[in-house]
Amino acid sequence: QAVVTQEPSLTVSPGGTVTLTCGSSAGPVTSDLWPYWYQQKPGQAPRTLIFDTTNKHSWTPARFSGSLLGGKAALTLSGAQPEDEADYYCMLYGGPRVFGGGTKLTVL
Amino acid sequence: EVQVVESGGGLVQPGGSLRLSCTVSGFTFSNYWMSWVRQAPGKGLEWVAHIKGDGSEKRYADSVKGRFTISRDNAKNSLYMQMNSLRGEDTSVYYCLRDYGGIWGQGTQVTVSS
Repeated sequence: QAVVTQEPSLTVSPGGTVTLTCGSSAGPVTSDLWPYWYQQKPGQAPRTLIFDTTNKHSWTPARFSGSLLGGKAALTLSGAQPEDEADYYCMLYGGPRVFGGGTKLTVL
Repeated sequence: EVQVVESGGGLVQPGGSLRLSCTVSGFTFSNYWMSWVRQAPGKGLEWVAHIKGDGSEKRYADSVKGRFTISRDNAKNSLYMQMNSLRGEDTSVYYCLRDYGGIWGQGTQVTVSS
């Protein structure tokens, strides 16, 4: 079973841009793995920001976008806000479901 | 409005059993794969099991295989997780998740302790 890797922590300045990535030990991440991105704030249930690589929900702020970058799935936050401070998890849906370990994003 | 609501959590002794339920509304339940996902205190998300829309396919994480059973009743728009032989490491918040689009419930706490 593949291991899904994420940066353990990242810091971004308010108004800045940051990219979180999601890699797989099984090889390059492609759209066939339908990467998902979830946001979780302390004490809350996760919510889905991005599904199937690039698709957004109605509740997904426009400053978030999903893509493939260098063989990984990527979540880019452009114009970070204090309320974006949270844990972010990716999941690859192709085959057995495996979550990444999560990225703790600090807006500072 | 799409909704996913879990219930059935609680405190159980090691070796005991518990049955979680998840009731959905706002979408055609039988069309979707559904998952259970858990999160231990201070830890990340762990996928536990999932089931196809018609119930014909089920998969489990190695950590629960042989102890947990996922099932569904499409007539009742409900998903279930029968958890047997519970251990301390099963203590978590358990979330019900519609796979496509990632629709989450609010979670239900399961605590395994004597």
